[in-house]
Amino acid sequence: KQEVTQIPAALSVPEGENLVLNCSFTDSAIYNLQWFRQDPGKGLTSLLLIQSSQREQTSGRLNASLDKSSGRSTLYIAASQPGDSATYLCAVSPFSGGYNKLIFGAGTRLAVHP
Amino acid sequence: GAVVSQHPSRVICKSGTSVKIECRSLDFQATTMFWYRQFPKQSLMLMATSNEGSKATYEQGVEKDKFLINHASLTLSTLTVTSAHPEDSSFYICSAYVTASTEAFFGQGTRLTVV
Repeated sequence: KQEVTQIPAALSVPEGENLVLNCSFTDSAIYNLQWFRQDPGKGLTSLLLIQSSQREQTSGRLNASLDKSSGRSTLYIAASQPGDSATYLCAVSPFSGGYNKLIFGAGTRLAVHP
Repeated sequence: GAVVSQHPSRVICKSGTSVKIECRSLDFQATTMFWYRQFPKQSLMLMATSNEGSKATYEQGVEKDKFLINHASLTLSTLTVTSAHPEDSSFYICSAYVTASTEAFFGQGTRLTVV
């Protein structure tokens, strides 16, 4: 059974720091891995999608890497800003469930203070 | 990216009543939509897969008679929580995929509170 774990559960940093959020999954048989942002009481915003054949994806200050064989992904946030404060979720699409069924981690709650 | 609209964003209802939540794909057609539930400080858990024109597929442990799903058109899926109880209070959120894409797009979510 696929399980997704995110570390740390919570993170509080001063503005300007570079951050690394970690995601691990137990079964490497995945179609892709997706990182989302969730603001309190709100829906999910897709940040980056990494296909299983890819190693990384970049969007602005965000960079996500994927090491499928070891079951790990990292989300790197450069020069963090208070507006980055949110919960960051990673999710995988397992072969067993079809590419569009997502298994989520519990998230990392990020607080960036001025 | 594609837009998925979910309504209402918040609802409070009395125990024993039913609540309907709508999920619409605004600029694309979605033959399949997904309903998730999220309890406080927990991960999103898939409840069911909504298929246009056919019965929904429910995940293990989800009561199909309590959580009624209807997907009558290519742009609309509804989730009805029947005979709601306080333990049904949660955050419900839907997602959909653009055809030939593997990127999931989510609605804004619905915060259900049963009193």
